[in-house]
Amino acid sequence: DAGVTQSPTHLIKTRGQQVTLRCSPKSGHDTVSWYQQALGQGPQFIFQYYEEEERQRGNFPDRFSGHQFPNYSSELNVNALLLGDSALYLCASSFDRDRGYEQYFGPGTRLTVT
Amino acid sequence: AQSVAQPEDQVNVAEGNPLTVKCTYSVSGNPYLFWYVQYPNRGLQFLLKYITGDNLVKGSYGFEAEFNKSQTSFHLKKPSALVSDSALYFCAVSFLLRTGGFKTIFGAGTRLFVKA
Repeated sequence: DAGVTQSPTHLIKTRGQQVTLRCSPKSGHDTVSWYQQALGQGPQFIFQYYEEEERQRGNFPDRFSGHQFPNYSSELNVNALLLGDSALYLCASSFDRDRGYEQYFGPGTRLTVT
Repeated sequence: AQSVAQPEDQVNVAEGNPLTVKCTYSVSGNPYLFWYVQYPNRGLQFLLKYITGDNLVKGSYGFEAEFNKSQTSFHLKKPSALVSDSALYFCAVSFLLRTGGFKTIFGAGTRLFVKA
């Protein structure tokens, strides 16, 4: 049983460009949450997707958007990249009916904006 | 506002000695408390969680955590540290949202160094 997978592993982009990051949840999970982890900091909640809808959003600008597909996989899109967007982006999956809120994290995508 | 504090940026301990990594939180209601560990260039790995019940929670790799409601703390502990325990540790709080789903807030992390 594959855990949470993310692609790509690393990515280098230029300021102003757009980027798409991808996540496949753990088998049986229906909820995907995205986090941004800047160097030396804890993960910051970006948003959460369930049933193909954005259910909750953290304090991130509209440049950050996402999507969830019928197979529960998800994408994170960032437009008009800024240097400050450089970070490790983590995807976490969970099962909505699991009221323990236990999340399984992928290895992350390291985004560098130059 | 909800918050999680890990007051120590770094904890140093000798192999074989007990270790404690501190965490306090400020969340309304009854939050769910977690500890995660992160190794270099890796995602977060679940260690343990507290939902309800016994205040002492046992988790993976010999780790345990003590929940103290009056002090709003959830300190991570291990009786005998191993060099391989050296990593970045995050305390986290999850709480249910009125709109459905849940939100998780992480502390800034504590780097644990275990010296042989």
